[in-house]
Amino acid sequence: KNEVEQSPQNLTAQEGEFITINCSYSVGISALHWLQQHPGGGIVSLFMLSSGKKKHGRLIATINIQEKHSSLHITASHPRDSAVYICAVRDDKIIFGKGTRLHILP
Amino acid sequence: DTEVTQTPKHLVMGMTNKKSLKCEQHMGHRAMYWYKQKAKKPPELMFVYSYEKLSINESVPSRFSPECPNSSLLNLHLHALQPEDSALYLCASSGGKLFFGSGTQLSVL
Repeated sequence: KNEVEQSPQNLTAQEGEFITINCSYSVGISALHWLQQHPGGGIVSLFMLSSGKKKHGRLIATINIQEKHSSLHITASHPRDSAVYICAVRDDKIIFGKGTRLHILP
Repeated sequence: DTEVTQTPKHLVMGMTNKKSLKCEQHMGHRAMYWYKQKAKKPPELMFVYSYEKLSINESVPSRFSPECPNSSLLNLHLHALQPEDSALYLCASSGGKLFFGSGTQLSVL
């Protein structure tokens, strides 16, 4: 079993829809990262969380330490949000989830 | 400056060549990482440097040799690579939040 599980693996939605990507982990962590990777591109850090909730523009990330679960939400989704979203957890090293491939249709 | 700069962006090399990948950051981060990423897969950790000392080596073959000459620079020396080593090589640094370079797309012929 992977230490970091993301769901769904793939998601296609219409522009404007509310998007939720989930991440569950089985190890003790000091922080959780949500990352975004566009095709052929580098990786951008969206959030680093150790508790609670963070918001940046249309993006919201939450984490529940007791349940070992985090969610990334995108409100009013747009085609430019199409990318792979990766959850990564940190203890002494960083463990990546397999990513969620998001495609927003215009 | 909140960038991690990687050079070159693209590299094609033969199996007998020796080449180096370079990574630079000026954010004062003391943790730097090398990752390998195959198409449509998540990044795989190769090496971690903490305060310029190698702290994690994820059983990477010796044909990959990392070097951290100072707190701003991280190199990955490549020698006698195999075609299956073709991938995107990503450098990252962290002082909390993670910052990634745009990667070097490596093709081994």
